[in-house]
Amino acid sequence: DAGVIQSPRHEVTEMGQEVTLRCKPISGHDYLFWYRQTMMRGLELLIYFNNNVPIDDSGMPEDRFSAKMPNASFSTLKIQPSEPRDSAVYFCASSLAGQGYEQYFGPGTRLTVT
Amino acid sequence: GDSVTQMEGPVTLSEEAFLTINCTYTATGYPSLFWYVQYPGEGLQLLLKATKADDKGSNKGFEATYRKETTSFHLEKGSVQVSDSAVYFCALSPYNFNKFYFGSGTKLNVKP
Repeated sequence: DAGVIQSPRHEVTEMGQEVTLRCKPISGHDYLFWYRQTMMRGLELLIYFNNNVPIDDSGMPEDRFSAKMPNASFSTLKIQPSEPRDSAVYFCASSLAGQGYEQYFGPGTRLTVT
Repeated sequence: GDSVTQMEGPVTLSEEAFLTINCTYTATGYPSLFWYVQYPGEGLQLLLKATKADDKGSNKGFEATYRKETTSFHLEKGSVQVSDSAVYFCALSPYNFNKFYFGSGTKLNVKP
């Protein structure tokens, strides 16, 4: 399997612009997670889905952030409008359902908002 | 609530030294425990895991034992290499629940 695929790998945008990050989970996985990693705050869970349905979005920082999973093989994380403090590495991860199954992480998208 | 606490870094060792990174957890029931490693510019990769008390996870010379009596899952390696330089994350997954709780990460620097 190709693993979790994220695009783009790097994104540089100006403050106020819309940013869309994309993720393709591993085929057959039931869960999909979006994380954000910064030096100051470490690794934060933003939102996760089970069978394409959002289960917990309590980690989404503000209404500027939204995530969708229209089908089992694709998810997006959108920031509109973007701000410099959104600069971070965003990871997508997927896993099978059940006790003891690990999460598989994608390579991440490094977002820089100027 | 569920949480993981791991020792702060950075940890700096010479090649071939013994490594211990401490990890303790708080959880109800019987969580699964994991160690992930993150190399510069990459995503997190599973290093090892243990799903029940007294289980020992091992991989690439690293080991960790699930100790329920001390709520710990310390990572050890007998002889580190420069290539082990990375950030290591301890994590738990509560019983029957796929959400993970990650520690803050410990950066390991290994000098030649």
